[in-house]
Amino acid sequence: AQSVSQHNHHVILSEAASLELGCNYSYGGTVNLFWYVQYPGQHLQLLLKYFSGDPLVKGIKGFEAEFIKSKFSFNLRKPSVQWSDTAEYFCAVNSPKTSYDKVIFGPGTSLSVIP
Amino acid sequence: SQTIHQWPATLVQPVGSPLSLECTVEGTSNPNLYWYRQAAGRGLQLLFYSVGIGQISSEVPQNLSASRPQDRQFILSSKKLLLSDSGFYLCAWCHPGLAGVMGTGELFFGEGSRLTVL
Repeated sequence: AQSVSQHNHHVILSEAASLELGCNYSYGGTVNLFWYVQYPGQHLQLLLKYFSGDPLVKGIKGFEAEFIKSKFSFNLRKPSVQWSDTAEYFCAVNSPKTSYDKVIFGPGTSLSVIP
Repeated sequence: SQTIHQWPATLVQPVGSPLSLECTVEGTSNPNLYWYRQAAGRGLQLLFYSVGIGQISSEVPQNLSASRPQDRQFILSSKKLLLSDSGFYLCAWCHPGLAGVMGTGELFFGEGSRLTVL
């Protein structure tokens, strides 16, 4: 069965620090990869996604993620965080060949940015 | 535009009582529908998903069931709640087929329902 792990449960950074949140998935076949974000009091929303092509994908609000197939990883990065980036971040995976419509989420990483 | 609504937003129920959480989507046809449970430190656990009326895929054997009586209505139920059913339940939808998870890839989430079983 597919699974998604995220390296950190809670990350605390100062404003302007660089961010990298780790994500690894277990499935070895073709995958679609996603990062979702949940700001305090708001709905979960899509931050960025990877389906194919350039393994470096850019999302909203200056976030980017790199797909490294050999490492089964899809880490999220941002060069300089802001206080408004405080949120919970979820990595997710979908395997189009084995579970077309199923999206599996990781445990989430809570990011706190200190002004 | 499309909207998704869940209710009730908050529910406190005794152990052994029944449960019904409802989710409806407006502004789209034949959406994929999903029920997730969100627990602190455990992320979003996929419970059920549906690609059409009466079509339910169950991911985790448990005390809950789901039904899709209408195209844009998704119901999460239990006949007898357990303490372990407490949690935050999220409904989500996406476009069907190639425009769905394989297309835009985006799931759209509802506001969530907080269930406390005492």
